[in-house]
Amino acid sequence: DIQMTQSPSSLSASVGATVTITCRASQGISNYLAWFQQKPGKAPKSLIYAASTLQSGVPSKFSGTGSGTYFTLTISSLQPEDFATYYCQQYNSFPLTFGGGTKVEIK
Amino acid sequence: QVQLVESGGGVVLPGRSLKLSCEASGFTFRTYSMHWVRQAPGKGLEWVGIIWYDGSNEYYADSVKGRFTISRDNFKNTLYLQIDSLRPEDTAIYYCARDLHSSSPDVTWGQGTAVTVSS
Repeated sequence: DIQMTQSPSSLSASVGATVTITCRASQGISNYLAWFQQKPGKAPKSLIYAASTLQSGVPSKFSGTGSGTYFTLTISSLQPEDFATYYCQQYNSFPLTFGGGTKVEIK
Repeated sequence: QVQLVESGGGVVLPGRSLKLSCEASGFTFRTYSMHWVRQAPGKGLEWVGIIWYDGSNEYYADSVKGRFTISRDNFKNTLYLQIDSLRPEDTAIYYCARDLHSSSPDVTWGQGTAVTVSS
C-alpha cells in the first residue's frame, strides 16, 4: 500500500497569511493526487485533482504542485472560511490512501 | 444538481449487521464507479472500497475485507454497503463518493451517515 504523509499535522496562521502543506508518497504516484478540504461536521470538499488542477468553483487562492513523491498545497490570503482540515489522497493504485490531515487554525 | 444522500446509519450492537444506502441523483449513476469512505470520530479519512460502474468488480481495504460488501442497483440509482459482524472500531461516519479514483472534475461526496457500534 502507498503511504501518504502530510506535514505539518496542524498549523496556526493569521488572516491574510499564505500557508503551504506538504504531502509525501511512499512511492511514486505520478500526478495522481487530490486535495480535499473538510470543515467540522461536514463532508470533504474536492479542491484539486491531478496534483494541480482546480475543481470547478474553487478559487485560485488554492494551488497545488508536485509529481512523483512530493506534493504541496498552498493557500494564499487566508480568510476565515479557509480554516479547516486538509487531506491529500493518492489514486495511483488501490487501495486508495489519504494523508493524515493538516488542521489549519486561526492564530 | 449532483447529489449523493446516505442513509441507514444508527446505533448497533457489536456482532450485528447493517446495510447503508447512498441514493444518487442529478447524474447518470450507471456510468460512474462509486466509493465508500469512513471517518472515525476525531480521526482522518479511510477509504473502504470501490465498486465498478457496472457492478462487475469490487475492491476493498484490507481492514474491511471479508466483512464489508459493496453493491449497487443501477435501476434504483443506489449504492449499498453491507457491514457484517460489526465491531466497535467500525464506529464512524460513512460517506459515499463518486470518482475518487481518477483525474476527474466530477468528484462528489455525500453528507455521510453515522454508525455507532456499542453495547
